[in-house]
Amino acid sequence: NAGVTQTPKFQVLKTGQSMTLQCAQDMNHEYMSWYRQDPGMGLRLIHYSVGAGITDQGEVPNGYNVSRSTTEDFPLRLLSAAPSQTSVYFCASSYSARQETQYFGPGTRLLVL
Amino acid sequence: AQSVAQPEDQVNVAEGNPLTVKCTYSVSGNPYLFWYVQYPNRGLQFLLKYITGDNLVKGSYGFEAEFNKSQTSFHLKKPSALVSDSALYFCAVRDILTGGGNKLTFGTGTQLKVEL
Repeated sequence: NAGVTQTPKFQVLKTGQSMTLQCAQDMNHEYMSWYRQDPGMGLRLIHYSVGAGITDQGEVPNGYNVSRSTTEDFPLRLLSAAPSQTSVYFCASSYSARQETQYFGPGTRLLVL
Repeated sequence: AQSVAQPEDQVNVAEGNPLTVKCTYSVSGNPYLFWYVQYPNRGLQFLLKYITGDNLVKGSYGFEAEFNKSQTSFHLKKPSALVSDSALYFCAVRDILTGGGNKLTFGTGTQLKVEL
């Protein structure tokens, strides 16, 4: 199993540009989520999905969209990038929403100029 | 709201010495507590968790954590530190969301530096 994979590893955007951060898992996990990591703030939940076709907002959803058309994939879209979205983004998954342990991808480092 | 606190930004320890990384929590109800480790330019790796049962939880790479309900603490420990243990350690507590999801609320992290 590859586990949780994320692409790209690093991206530079200009303010106002859009992009999609990709996340995929091959463990047949129902639950997937996106976090952002900022210095001194730990990780904060952006969006999550309890299964294909079902998504919901986390604690910092503004400026981000998600969709879940398949069990494997959970892309995160930035519609109009802002410098405040400069961060490291992590995707995570677990077998179910109630399963305690979440497994994280390697992260995408995003710089918005 | 649930929260965790890691009071130390950095912990320095000599190789071979025991290490402790501190974490305290604030929750309503029974806590589901976790430790994750992050190596440079890598994602978070699960170390161990406390859900219920024995207060001493054993995890990966020789780490263990002690749950103390009266002190609301969940300190990470290892009897003999290795240089390769140098990394960023996060304590987290799980929160169940109204939409059916779950959220890990993380501490701000503690940088562990193990020196020869």
